[in-house]
Amino acid sequence: GQSLEQPSEVTAVEGAIVQINCTYQTSGFYGLSWYQQHDGGAPTFLSYNALDGLEETGRFSSFLSRSDSYGYLLLQELQMKDSASYFCAVRDSDSWGKLQFGAGTQVVVTP
Amino acid sequence: EAQVTQNPRYLITVTGKKLTVTCSQNMNHEYMSWYRQDPGLGLRQIYYSMNVEVTDKGDVPEGYKVSRKEKRNFPLILESPSPNQTSLYFCASSFSTGGQDTQYFGPGTRLTVL
Repeated sequence: GQSLEQPSEVTAVEGAIVQINCTYQTSGFYGLSWYQQHDGGAPTFLSYNALDGLEETGRFSSFLSRSDSYGYLLLQELQMKDSASYFCAVRDSDSWGKLQFGAGTQVVVTP
Repeated sequence: EAQVTQNPRYLITVTGKKLTVTCSQNMNHEYMSWYRQDPGLGLRQIYYSMNVEVTDKGDVPEGYKVSRKEKRNFPLILESPSPNQTSLYFCASSFSTGGQDTQYFGPGTRLTVL
C-alpha cells in the first residue's frame, strides 16, 4: 500500500515561489501526479512524473526522486488565482487502476 | 466539448433509501473511477473500472456498488445509505495507458444522508 504526506497549508505573497513537498511510503508505483482544486470545484490535472527529474509546464514544475521517495510541486510567479488546494497522487504498481491521494496542501496567496 | 458529467449535483436523502449517482464521459476513456472527498482526508478512491465489465475496489468500497455496462457510463449505487456516507463525490475518467496519467474529473455530487 501507499502513504503520502504533504504539508497542510502554505502561505506566500504574489510573485513569490512556493514548493509543496510530497513524501511517500510505497512498495512500488507507476508515477507521481499533481492536481489542483479550487474551493467548490473539481480537481484538475497539473503534471505527472513517471521518471526521476524535473517536468516543467509554464509557471508550474514537478520533480520526482524515487530513491528518496520524494517529490515536489513548484509554483513560480505566484498569482492570486493560484490560491487552491494541491494534491499529490500515486498509482499502485500492483494495479494501475488503484490511485491514492495525499490529504492536500492549501496554498494561500496574499497581495 | 470533452467532459465528465455527474447527476445529481446535490442530493439530500434519508438513511436506507437506495440512490444512484450517474457518471458519464464523452472522451471514449477506458478508465473510470469514483472518489469521495471529506475534510482533511483528501480524495479516497471507492471503485474503479479499467474497461467495460471490469471493476475493482479502491480503498473505501464498503457500502457502495458500481457497474460498467457501457464504456461511457459508470454509476455509483448506494443500496442503503448511512450518515457516514455524507460526502462530496467525484467521478473521473482517463485513458488507461501507463505512460501518462491525466484524469478528468466531473463537477462533483454533494450528498447528505440524514
